This record gives sequence, C-alpha cells and structure tokens, in this order.
Amino acid sequence: AAGVIQSPRHLIKEKRETATLKCYPIPRHDTVYWYQQGPGQDPQFLISFYEKMQSDKGSIPDRFSAQQFSDYHSELNMSSLELGDSALYFCASSFFGGTGELFFGEGSRLTVL
Amino acid sequence: SQQGEEDPQALSIQEGENATMNCSYKTSINNLQWYRQNSGRGLVHLILIRSNEREKHSGRLRVTLDTSKKSSSLLITASRAADTASYFCATRRGSNFGNEKLTFGTGTRLTIIP
Repeated sequence: AAGVIQSPRHLIKEKRETATLKCYPIPRHDTVYWYQQGPGQDPQFLISFYEKMQSDKGSIPDRFSAQQFSDYHSELNMSSLELGDSALYFCASSFFGGTGELFFGEGSRLTVL
Repeated sequence: SQQGEEDPQALSIQEGENATMNCSYKTSINNLQWYRQNSGRGLVHLILIRSNEREKHSGRLRVTLDTSKKSSSLLITASRAADTASYFCATRRGSNFGNEKLTFGTGTRLTIIP
C-alpha cells in the first residue's frame, strides 16, 4: 500500500540558509500534518492543512511557512535557519471520516551547521 | 510535553517478559492512541482507544484508559527483540472522525534484552 512520502530524507544546511521539505500524502487523504522532533524529544505539532486550507497551527516559528497544493502534497519552507532547527521533520496524513489515526512518513532529517 | 507524560521514560526487560508503559494527560480527550517509533524512523500507529472505552486488545497489545485519572497504559505481552523501540501516547481532543492534530507525550524507550 502507498505510504506518506517525504523528501529529502536528509538535508544539511548552514545557518541563515533556507530549506524546503516536501510531503506527498497517501492517495485520497485530505489532511496533512507537520511535526518537528528534536533529539530524544516527543514530536511537536507545527501546522496542518485540510483540503488545502490551514486547519490548525502549533508551535511553528514565524520563519517557517507551509502550504498544501491542489494535488494535496505539502511543502514546509524554513528560512533563516538556526542551529536549533536541527531535527527530524515528520509529515503525516489522514482523511476526514477515517479511523482517526495518522499515517507518518519516514521523516526528513535536517542538520543545520 | 504539554499534554502527555509517560512513565517510565526508559524500560529494559528480558525477552518473553511483559512490558507496561503508562501515559498521563491533562485535558479532556476524545481518543488516545499509541504509536511506536524505531530509532530515527517514522511513527507507526499501534492502537486507538476512544474516551468511552476502558480496554482494548490487539494481538499482544492491551490498552486501558481511565478518563477519571486521565491516564492510559499499554501492555505488551511476551515481548520480542523486535519490540525494541520508543512508544508514544498521543491524544486527540476533537471528533473521532475529524482531522484534529494529535498531541504526543514524551515517550518510553523500551529495550528488549535477548
């Protein structure tokens, strides 16, 4: 079965650079969530989109932005990167009216030097 | 974590033994879910229990929910080396069929010793 696809899997950037992460949800899933997980930490909710509209917002820095496109894929844009942004970034998807579980991708590991 | 706190934070047991992990949360919820994460990998859904349920089973997994104490426990019976992973509880406040975010607890790192 198709899963959530994230790219790139690994990314190394310098401070103050910009990074873009992509997420392709499971087909027919209408909701995408972004989570950030620091080393040894629990996943922290950043932002979510339902039917291409922002549905909820968590602890996402102002330097970050995201959107969901017409084909339901989503992109997380991160600018003015800081050392503290180094983390695993997960995308998850679900569909309204489903079982309530989230399906996670394998994550994108961002390292800021 | 702002919502779930898990206990213990780390647990090591011998293969074949049972492992119990606990989770507490602070706000009212609609459902509570458990996820597993192998090191550096994505989270995998294990089991979901709704707020009007008290116990649920799935294979070697048993989950309980006590909404009066705002706590849940995950029991893994007859543990295997492949069960070595971090386990997170996550809560959802909204509708069971909605698309509200999940709020994760701090996780328990389980190590099964062969």
